[in-house]
Amino acid sequence: DAKTTQPPSMDCAEGRAANLPCNHSTISGNEYVYWYRQIHSQGPQYIIHGLKNNETNEMASLIITEDRKSSTLILPHATLRDTAVYYCIVRVASIPYSGGGADGLTFGKGTHLIIQP
Amino acid sequence: NAGVTQTPKFQVLKTGQSMTLQCAQDMNHNSMYWYRQDPGMGLRLIYYSASEGTTDKGEVPNGYNVSRLNKREFSLRLESAAPSQTSVYFCASSEGVKGRNEQYFGPGTRLTVT
Repeated sequence: DAKTTQPPSMDCAEGRAANLPCNHSTISGNEYVYWYRQIHSQGPQYIIHGLKNNETNEMASLIITEDRKSSTLILPHATLRDTAVYYCIVRVASIPYSGGGADGLTFGKGTHLIIQP
Repeated sequence: NAGVTQTPKFQVLKTGQSMTLQCAQDMNHNSMYWYRQDPGMGLRLIYYSASEGTTDKGEVPNGYNVSRLNKREFSLRLESAAPSQTSVYFCASSEGVKGRNEQYFGPGTRLTVT
């Protein structure tokens, strides 16, 4: 899987849009961009994923640049409950994943998003 | 629809004891996974099962065994617990089809080995 780079922490005011950047300059053509988050002491939660087009669901929007080397996760109206560590993960689309025999997700350090009241 | 459930939520073991962590999903997913998360660290894959009847090692399989009992259930066994296995264990599942392999996680089991 391609490596990703995220800022270690970010602040955002409650009610504003939170924009979380991710760089994945070595992404290859068959790799998707996935976003997960982990609220303290809970299991990770899937948010959204995309290949090259922008995607939106009930939780967030994902904007992927045309060259696919970076992306931004947008939480349109952040609430205090959105305080969490957000992980950007790039991984192949094929099943089963053939990289090193492991089909799991590789979680980096992520971005600790703190929503301020 | 409970998603992914794990039992127990908490467990304390003495070194050398054995136990089995249980995981079940009700989403009819093909693939299931076991991860561990040490304090301040990211998740590391222990074992996974791409489909019913198959299991494969992940990044940190030593000291663990798994059983894919049926499509719903995937258990993780510690045969002889060691303090280094003190961690939070997460089970996850996914559809396991191309482009639809986002993973859904359970609430975790917090294991302490003394």
